[in-house]
Amino acid sequence: SQQGEEDPQALSIQEGENATMNCSYKTSINNLQWYRQNSGRGLVHLILIRSNEREKHSGRLRVTLDTSKKSSSLLITASRAADTASYFCATDSFQGAQKLVFGQGTRLTINP
Amino acid sequence: IAGITQAPTSQILAAGRRMTLRCTQDMRHNAMYWYRQDLGLGLRLIHYSNTAGTTGKGEVPDGYSVSRANTDDFPLTLASAVPSQTSVYFCASRPSPGGGYGYTFGSGTRLTVV
Repeated sequence: SQQGEEDPQALSIQEGENATMNCSYKTSINNLQWYRQNSGRGLVHLILIRSNEREKHSGRLRVTLDTSKKSSSLLITASRAADTASYFCATDSFQGAQKLVFGQGTRLTINP
Repeated sequence: IAGITQAPTSQILAAGRRMTLRCTQDMRHNAMYWYRQDLGLGLRLIHYSNTAGTTGKGEVPDGYSVSRANTDDFPLTLASAVPSQTSVYFCASRPSPGGGYGYTFGSGTRLTVV
């Protein structure tokens, strides 16, 4: 079962523009995480935001979390061609075996 | 370099054959996971292990088994491969199952069952 659902499924923008990806989830969470996957490679952890945090920054990344709406967004500012990848949100809940549940991802393409 | 090593990188396997995908980490992480990634379905958890000596079933465990004899190794075995097990398999780990840690992923094994 998919906990996180990303929106949009695909996004294509020009280099230098900002890219925003959204994630919605269904159940209570401990934290929410974002990962990047370059084509054919393993996922790389980008940022983690805890349920009691509303916003977090890391370099050109900004993540927000709204637990009342069960949603999160990932903003990449001043995009670069190297940002072309798939981005996944993953939720970490208090329940069960405490493993991450991943969404289906957003495919981001940065055009030079 | 600290991380997760998966082997093989890719494999073509005849249906009905047995195969073990290897996963080794050198970070002394307690928790390890196996996911499969299929187009349009994202990553789905197959099995997990919160610490050496324990394992648990994930979302799609049928046809797969795992063992965790020590901290570093977490092999995934397909007892009798079927075409629906064609997928990319990722092993991941983190320091503990709780505590708000992110995963470290291996580079994956691309498996084709024919």
